[in-house]
Amino acid sequence: SQKIEQNSEALNIQEGKTATLTCNYTNYSPAYLQWYRQDPGRGPVFLLLIRENEKEKRKERLKVTFDTTLKQSLFHITASQPADSATYLCALVTNYQLIWGAGTKLIIKP
Amino acid sequence: NAGVTQTPKFRVLKTGQSMTLLCAQDMNHEYMYWYRQDPGMGLRLIHYSVGEGTTAKGEVPDGYNVSRLKKQNFLLGLESAAPSQTSVYFCASSYYRTSGANTGELFFGEGSRLTVL
Repeated sequence: SQKIEQNSEALNIQEGKTATLTCNYTNYSPAYLQWYRQDPGRGPVFLLLIRENEKEKRKERLKVTFDTTLKQSLFHITASQPADSATYLCALVTNYQLIWGAGTKLIIKP
Repeated sequence: NAGVTQTPKFRVLKTGQSMTLLCAQDMNHEYMYWYRQDPGMGLRLIHYSVGEGTTAKGEVPDGYNVSRLKKQNFLLGLESAAPSQTSVYFCASSYYRTSGANTGELFFGEGSRLTVL
């Protein structure tokens, strides 16, 4: 079956450290992958997109990698801050479908 | 610029009651979507629209109907609510259709929390 998996357990990171979130998928050949941030009681907000032919994408303190061989995307936040605490969702785009992961809750401790 | 606005934000229904969720966007986007979000699951597409007057079924359309009479509005209706429809509903819009050729970044509303007793 087709699956997209993100760590269901919350990720606790000390302020200032790099947070790394994982998005794994099976049985897809995604054209690209998107990452969104969702705060409690709010809608998701788009952060970054990476295409299948791109290995890495950066935006300020954010970095996304995409390994189509491992079927995995990693989302990094460097110099993490308490304000980065949120749930982060990954979404695959394949054949006009957007397939969503359940999200990983990130907690940055001061 | 309000973006995507959903109303109401909260609603409690009894089984069998009907209701309509309204979504309005002011970005002149062609594409609009209704998702539901349940604990431990990814967003699931209910229905979507590729333009005024057109709608299509998504992954979980049963029990829902939609209408797109105006480009800026996308309505989601529940004709006979069931407890299984207790969820948080999100409306989203995009300039491009999600595809391999375009980015299809989605803009979301704040969500509508529906409880069916």
